[in-house]
Amino acid sequence: QQQVKQSPQSLIVQKGGISIINCAYENTAFDYFPWYQQFPGKGPALLIAIRPDVSEKKEGRFTISFNKSAKQFSLHIMDSQPGDSATYFCAALSGSNYKLTFGKGTLLTVNP
Amino acid sequence: DGGITQSPKYLFRKEGQNVTLSCEQNLNHDAMYWYRQDPGQGLRLIYYSQIVNDFQKGDIAEGYSVSREKKESFPLTVTSAQKNPTTFYLCASQSGTGGISGNTIYFGEGSWLTVV
Repeated sequence: QQQVKQSPQSLIVQKGGISIINCAYENTAFDYFPWYQQFPGKGPALLIAIRPDVSEKKEGRFTISFNKSAKQFSLHIMDSQPGDSATYFCAALSGSNYKLTFGKGTLLTVNP
Repeated sequence: DGGITQSPKYLFRKEGQNVTLSCEQNLNHDAMYWYRQDPGQGLRLIYYSQIVNDFQKGDIAEGYSVSREKKESFPLTVTSAQKNPTTFYLCASQSGTGGISGNTIYFGEGSWLTVV
């Protein structure tokens, strides 16, 4: 049972465009939703995270939008750059069990 | 430098052999994790440990074992490794103190295991 569904699987965006990656979850006990960025051959690194008590969080060019009623959240990358080309993972955590559940990832390619 | 150190970076073993991957953290984190990453599968949880001398199975624990004798160390053993394409193993840790910073999971740089 996949508890966090991520789409699209891959995404190609032109430099300066907006990249949007979506995730949906099922478990209403999740209370922490991070996004991770992973470059080839490296471990994932935390990009931005949100709790369900806010609907949006912005850090620089990266924004998380959160819809609690729909059980969906998304990552928006504004003014996408070639250096943003990486795999992005959404995830969800229930604070009661320490287990972080990941989506299957989105391979983002930003063309120059 | 503070962080998570995985070793070795690259490892080759013959089919049927046991192999142990090392993970050490100096972040003073309570929780530690092992994930396996395969193409198209995302990250799948193998084992995790919230405190010393205690650990729980994740989603794909079969064929693996762990120990947590020290807070800073969480080695993973692949028991009787099966022949497969190179697999990427990731160790991670979390402070567990609550809040967004406490919930953040930090990853090591990963270990590549090839079984021939």
